[in-house]
Amino acid sequence: QLQLQESGPGRVKPSETLSLTCIVSGGSMSSRGYYWGWLRQPPGKGLEWIGNIDYYGTTNYNPSLKNRFTISLDTSKNQFSLRLASVIAADTAVYYCARPRISGTTYYFDTWGQGLLVTVSS
Amino acid sequence: SSELTQDPTVSVALGQTVRITCQGDSLRKYFATWYQQKPGQAPLLVIYGKTNRPSGIPDRFSGSGSGDTASLTITGAQAEDEADYYCNSRGTDGDFWIFGGGTKLTVL
Repeated sequence: QLQLQESGPGRVKPSETLSLTCIVSGGSMSSRGYYWGWLRQPPGKGLEWIGNIDYYGTTNYNPSLKNRFTISLDTSKNQFSLRLASVIAADTAVYYCARPRISGTTYYFDTWGQGLLVTVSS
Repeated sequence: SSELTQDPTVSVALGQTVRITCQGDSLRKYFATWYQQKPGQAPLLVIYGKTNRPSGIPDRFSGSGSGDTASLTITGAQAEDEADYYCNSRGTDGDFWIFGGGTKLTVL
């Protein structure tokens, strides 16, 4: 059974770079049909999609986040990553990695990591 | 459109039926997906496609839709169904994914 696990710092200082990794287990990332994604949820608020990456490394991001995020892939390590430079307090959130699926006109995330709370604070 | 709208709160008496709705232009073209999220937990996929349930999701959960509105129906709500529910689909203006603001379901 596929499992995802976020790893990274729980606290980052303003203006620093946030780097998170999602470790994929119970399955291979080498399938060309799969995508991998990141989402976040500020405390007490709703879910926000950050972006996805496919097997070939092609990415697409939430246009409202103004190109602040970078997602990359390392299939040899069975992991993918998220990078956010120059963090601000509003980036405080639980960050989730998840597996996006597309089936016809249905777009959904079928597997989620447990989430990692990242606090931006000096 | 890049928006999905949900009622912030909905309540239901134990054992009764409740419908949670999600509205947006993208739902005229794409199916809604529904997630359940309990406090401190990651979202859990409950309905995708027209009315597909992942393995382990009780059959009291079902989905439907018409026009720009999708619905998640819980028939015979249980205490353990108290949670936040989110809908999502693809945006219509580009290759991006959108979420509704979430509905907090209270089981009385």
